[in-house]
Amino acid sequence: EPEVTQTPSHQVTQMGQEVILRCVPISNHLYFYWYRQILGQKVEFLVSFYNNEISEKSEIFDDQFSVERPDGSNFTLKIRSTKLEDSAMYFCASSELEDTQYFGPGTRLTVL
Amino acid sequence: AQSVTQPDIHITVSEGASLELRCNYSYGATPYLFWYVQSPGQGLQLLLKYFSGDTLVQGIKGFEAEFKRSQSSFNLRKPSVHWSDAAEYFCAVGLKEYGNKLVFGAGTILRVKS
Repeated sequence: EPEVTQTPSHQVTQMGQEVILRCVPISNHLYFYWYRQILGQKVEFLVSFYNNEISEKSEIFDDQFSVERPDGSNFTLKIRSTKLEDSAMYFCASSELEDTQYFGPGTRLTVL
Repeated sequence: AQSVTQPDIHITVSEGASLELRCNYSYGATPYLFWYVQSPGQGLQLLLKYFSGDTLVQGIKGFEAEFKRSQSSFNLRKPSVHWSDAAEYFCAVGLKEYGNKLVFGAGTILRVKS
């Protein structure tokens, strides 16, 4: 069964450093998403992406964040200058149409 | 604003007992509704979804959920819980007009007693 994959599973970085989180969505899916879950809190929407454009972003998704689909298979989330409060589990998801989203296993980001 | 409420943070049931996890949403139109399950250290696995039609939907692992428009609810049920069902369960509403984003509830942690 096709699944969304994410790398790395755990990323540790120093405050102020740039990180890139990688996702490989399900191959025939057209819509891509990033969510995050701070420990003990709700899963929060960050951004949705379709046809090489951001279609919606949350207030969390400020200028420090960017997304890219650099090739036909990867979907990345970049945080330019990490802050302590960016420590969270980041989930990638994809959907074939504007309906059911399938999630990856997540990347745990720890900012020191 | 759109929101999802899961009033129970923790629920403990005995193995073999029935289960109902509550979910209420606030949304102006008929939403897309989902239940996801998260085991420790794992991602979010889709259990079931409601888009339209029959208000009782069946999902994987023997779960079902019923959409009740009048109560703005989408409660998850299972007639007989297994120890492997212990996990955290998230209800979510999908907002097609906002880039199809999902708004999640806070989750309910299910513990199963043997």
